[in-house]
Amino acid sequence: QKEVEQNSGPLSVPEGAIASLNCTYSDRGSQSFFWYRQYSGKSPELIMSIYSNGDKEDGRFTAQLNKASQYVSLLIRDSQPSDSATYLCAVNRGNNFNKFYFGSGTKLNVKP
Amino acid sequence: KAGVTQTPRYLIKTRGQQVTLSCSPISGHRSVSWYQQTPGQGLQFLFEYFSETQRNKGNFPGRFSGRQFSNSRSEMNVSTLELGDSALYLCASSGDRGLEAFFGQGTRLTVV
Repeated sequence: QKEVEQNSGPLSVPEGAIASLNCTYSDRGSQSFFWYRQYSGKSPELIMSIYSNGDKEDGRFTAQLNKASQYVSLLIRDSQPSDSATYLCAVNRGNNFNKFYFGSGTKLNVKP
Repeated sequence: KAGVTQTPRYLIKTRGQQVTLSCSPISGHRSVSWYQQTPGQGLQFLFEYFSETQRNKGNFPGRFSGRQFSNSRSEMNVSTLELGDSALYLCASSGDRGLEAFFGQGTRLTVV
């Protein structure tokens, strides 16, 4: 079983719609959760971090964490073509080691 | 505040050669992690250095090694290059608590 699982997609949504990206993780002791955006040929860029159960909003992005279900999600409201990228979910077990476990990423296509 | 700097950006090497990649973390960050990214395997953890000590190591052969200097700059070395080592090598910089990791632009290594 992989540490972090994501649907590889592609996920296609029309411009202006809500894109919903999901991620599950296997280690129940995980404490820190992150979403990265990676454009083709570029390095991952941190867009959201979440550490406690519930929702965290930042602009058009909302991260949701449910530790009981070991589930993390990212909602992108009013999706734009510029949001088209691969979104990586990452998890840190929080043992003071900066070793992040990454999912394989979900490719998002936002169609104009 | 300067970001994470990786050099060089691109490298072409021949099988059997060795290569050294460099990473300068964000000022004040003492933790540097290295990842290999390939289309088939995604982001895979190589190792993490904190205050010149390797704290964690991924599942890579001994041909992959690294070190960290007193100014937190890190180098990664790959000896006896194989075709399969062709990848994007990413360095991530984190603060002491490991709450977030910030990536450099990466070094694209091509082994021919």
